[in-house]
Amino acid sequence: AQSVAQPEDQVNVAEGNPLTVKCTYSVSGNPYLFWYVQYPNRGLQFLLKYITGDNLVKGSYGFEAEFNKSQTSFHLKKPSALVSDSALYFCAVLKSSGDKLTFGTGTRLAVRP
Amino acid sequence: GAGVSQTPSNKVTEKGKYVELRCDPISGHTALYWYRQSLGQGPEFLIYFQGTGAADDSGLPNDRFFAVRPEGSVSTLKIQRTERGDSAVYLCASSRGSGRTDTQYFGPGTRLTVL
Repeated sequence: AQSVAQPEDQVNVAEGNPLTVKCTYSVSGNPYLFWYVQYPNRGLQFLLKYITGDNLVKGSYGFEAEFNKSQTSFHLKKPSALVSDSALYFCAVLKSSGDKLTFGTGTRLAVRP
Repeated sequence: GAGVSQTPSNKVTEKGKYVELRCDPISGHTALYWYRQSLGQGPEFLIYFQGTGAADDSGLPNDRFFAVRPEGSVSTLKIQRTERGDSAVYLCASSRGSGRTDTQYFGPGTRLTVL
C-alpha cells in the first residue's frame, strides 16, 4: 500500500524566517512526489515535483523540496517566508504503476508579519 | 492560457436528487482526473480518463457515481440519489498525456452540498 503522511496539522513561522513543511512517504518502487498549495476557495496549485535526478527540486514562488530516500521524506522548504505564503499545503505521491495521486491530509502554514 | 474550469462553482441539492458536475480541461490535455475533497482532508481519487475512456474508475465509491467524457475533452461527473455524505468539493485535474511524470493541473472545484 502507498501512503503519504504530513505529521503537522499547522506550521507557524514569522515573516522572513525559513520554513519547512514535512512530508514522509511509503511506496513500493521509485516514488514520484509532488507538492501542491491551496488558497481559500481556490483549487490546488502545483508547486514542484520530484521524478528522478537531483534530490533538491526547485519550484514556484521560491519553494524547494529535498528528496531523502533513506528517510523516505520530501520536505518542502523556503529560505524566507512571506505572509502571502499562508495557505494549505499538500504533499502527494504517485504510484509507480499508475496515474492517480495519493494526497496527505495537508498542513496549514501561517506566516505572521 | 486558460486553466481547468469547473461548473458550477457551488451546487446545493436535496437528498435523493441527481446532480451533474462539469469539467473543462486545459486545451490539448488528453488525461483527465476527478478527485473528491472532504472537509479537513486531502483530495481522494475518483476516476481517470485517457481520451474518451475511463482508464481507472477504482475510486468511485459506489454505483451512484458515474462519469463520462464522450469527445475526449469535457467531462461530466454524475451523482444519482445524492446522500448527505456526498457533500464535498469535487476537483477536476488534467495533464498533457498518460506519462506518470506529467503534472496534473487542478480546477477550482465544485462545492456540493446535499441537504
